Amino acid sequence: AQSVTQLDSQVPVFEEAPVELRCNYSSSVSVYLFWYVQYPNQGLQLLLKYLSGSTLVKGINGFEAEFNKSQTSFHLRKPSVHISDTAEYFCAVSDGTDKLIFGTGTRLQVFP
Amino acid sequence: ETGVTQTPRHLVMGMTNKKSLKCEQHLGHNAMYWYKQSAKKPLELMFVYNFKEQTENNSVPSRFSPECPNSSHLFLHLHTLQPEDSALYLCASSQAGGRDEAFFGQGTRLTVV
Repeated sequence: AQSVTQLDSQVPVFEEAPVELRCNYSSSVSVYLFWYVQYPNQGLQLLLKYLSGSTLVKGINGFEAEFNKSQTSFHLRKPSVHISDTAEYFCAVSDGTDKLIFGTGTRLQVFP
Repeated sequence: ETGVTQTPRHLVMGMTNKKSLKCEQHLGHNAMYWYKQSAKKPLELMFVYNFKEQTENNSVPSRFSPECPNSSHLFLHLHTLQPEDSALYLCASSQAGGRDEAFFGQGTRLTVV
């Protein structure tokens, strides 16, 4: 069975600073990895996904993530954050079946 | 607008009430999902339907009863709920489960009193 661990429940950062949100997964099979963002009172929206190929994946809003198979990690990064990036970020894993398993989420708070 | 619409957005119900949550998608997807989102807990996958057939029931109590009459509509029927069932219930759909992006609705905020 797959599982996802998001190590940080909250990440405070100042505007224009870089940020990294950490995600580790466990699975006995090959996985597909996703990052979603949830703004207040909204559903989840896909930021990016890794299916295969290049381990560096670029997504929307300037975010990128790197798949590291040996460390079973899929950390999300942005070189310079904006106030509008304040939201909840969820890492998720799928083994190719219908089950998409999410982590507990990381609250990114960007301060001016 | 994500293409997945959930109604109602907010619902308050007593423990003896019966209510239903509705989800609708017109994205041509063949898989639909119900998730429960509670504070400080991971999103919990409740049910999965693929081509109208239930393919996953993640040990959900029988007081939650899903219905998928066609590939565009998904319901969650609720009866005799408990206060701990209060949460945000999210519906999602995808083209082919697993590899493809799931599109989420805005959720129904349920409060059981």
